Amino acid sequence: ELQLVESGGGLVQPGGSLRLSCSASGITFRSSWMHWVRQAPGKGLVWVSRIDRSGGTINYADSVKGRFTISRDNANNMLYLQMNSLTAEDTAVYYCTKQLTTWGRGTLVTVSS
Amino acid sequence: QSVLTQPPSASGTPGQRVTISCSGSNSNIGNNSVNWYQQVPGTAPKLLIYNHSQRPSGVPDRISGSKSGTSASLAISGLQSDDEADYYCAAWDDSLGGRWLFGGGTRLTVL
Repeated sequence: ELQLVESGGGLVQPGGSLRLSCSASGITFRSSWMHWVRQAPGKGLVWVSRIDRSGGTINYADSVKGRFTISRDNANNMLYLQMNSLTAEDTAVYYCTKQLTTWGRGTLVTVSS
Repeated sequence: QSVLTQPPSASGTPGQRVTISCSGSNSNIGNNSVNWYQQVPGTAPKLLIYNHSQRPSGVPDRISGSKSGTSASLAISGLQSDDEADYYCAAWDDSLGGRWLFGGGTRLTVL
């Protein structure tokens, strides 16, 4: 069974950068579309980005386009989210999810001075 | 404000049947499949329904989903105390280059 574990969250200053990682165990990672979804404290779920099996098709939410970059390393079963120019509005728990079916537990990103 | 519209709250007593609606448009629900998720606060979302009405293994058949036009519904029958959670609908949206959308969420209270 596929399991997902996010890491890389933490406290960052406005304008700063952070790289989130998601480690996938199981053999279905390389055949799956992968997504990042976030949830601000006390708020609902918001889709952030997705990447296809090969990395050839990528989509972003308008709110992160041009600032965030999703990528994957199929050889090592890893998904990444590079986040630049962070603002307070990016403060959230970030979830890694396989095809929006299997979800990790999330990693908290706090943007504050 | 979410493009997929859900009521912010719903409630029922144990044993009752409750439904939660999700209203969208032709570019999302009208043209694509709908997922439903349950989220107990402080935990990750759990997939309850995919492709409008299909249940993943392990989800009981007292939970069901349906779609009509540009709206979808989640029904929970035989309500139990551990059904108390937040529920979200989600659908792919074909506009603006393509994106996934989530509804704003419905907090279900078991009275």
